[in-house]
Amino acid sequence: EIVLTQSPGTLSLSPGERATLSCRASQSVSSNYLAWYQQKPGQAPRLLIYGASSRATGIPDRFSGSGSGTDFTLTISRLEPEDFAVYYCQQYGSSPQTFGQGTKVEIK
Amino acid sequence: QVQLRESGPGLVKPSETLSLTCTVSGGSMNSFYWSWIRQPPGKGLEWIGYIYSTGSTNYNPSLKSRVTISVDTSKNQFSLKLTSVTAADTAVYYCAREQNWGFDYWGQGTLVTVSS
Repeated sequence: EIVLTQSPGTLSLSPGERATLSCRASQSVSSNYLAWYQQKPGQAPRLLIYGASSRATGIPDRFSGSGSGTDFTLTISRLEPEDFAVYYCQQYGSSPQTFGQGTKVEIK
Repeated sequence: QVQLRESGPGLVKPSETLSLTCTVSGGSMNSFYWSWIRQPPGKGLEWIGYIYSTGSTNYNPSLKSRVTISVDTSKNQFSLKLTSVTAADTAVYYCAREQNWGFDYWGQGTLVTVSS
């Protein structure tokens, strides 16, 4: 199975700053089938990005995804108060689909 | 707007079977994949498996020997059974709709604790 490693584990930033989250795969992700999710405490994850770089319906354009092969990045251009949460990457190109361990974006 | 809701016992004894149902409203189940995903307290997400609306399934190999997912489209429901549970199966269990591009609709999740 493909193992996804996210870094850093925690990112401490202030509102208005730029956040850059990394997701590295143990082998190439087929067709760049890589998604990003946001999860807030007590809530289900929410799909942000799919296909490595396509925003899901209703997702603000401050969220962007990039990358291919084994290295992927989620960028939040300017953090809003509601963006402080845990972010997970997921690959769905190979079975079993797998998730990274998460990156927590916290208020500095 | 598609909505999913998990239901089932919140407490299961070790060695017994965990059974959950997901009820789908606001849309048809036909021509979609429906998944179960779990999250141990304070930890990450683990995909358990999916079922297509016609009944074909795919399970995570790590759980395959203990998992059965079934569907009843006439009731707009799909279900999860996990046998021989241990404390390691304690988690929030989510049901979700799976598209070719990821999980776009999720239930709110239900905590299942395995304890005697």
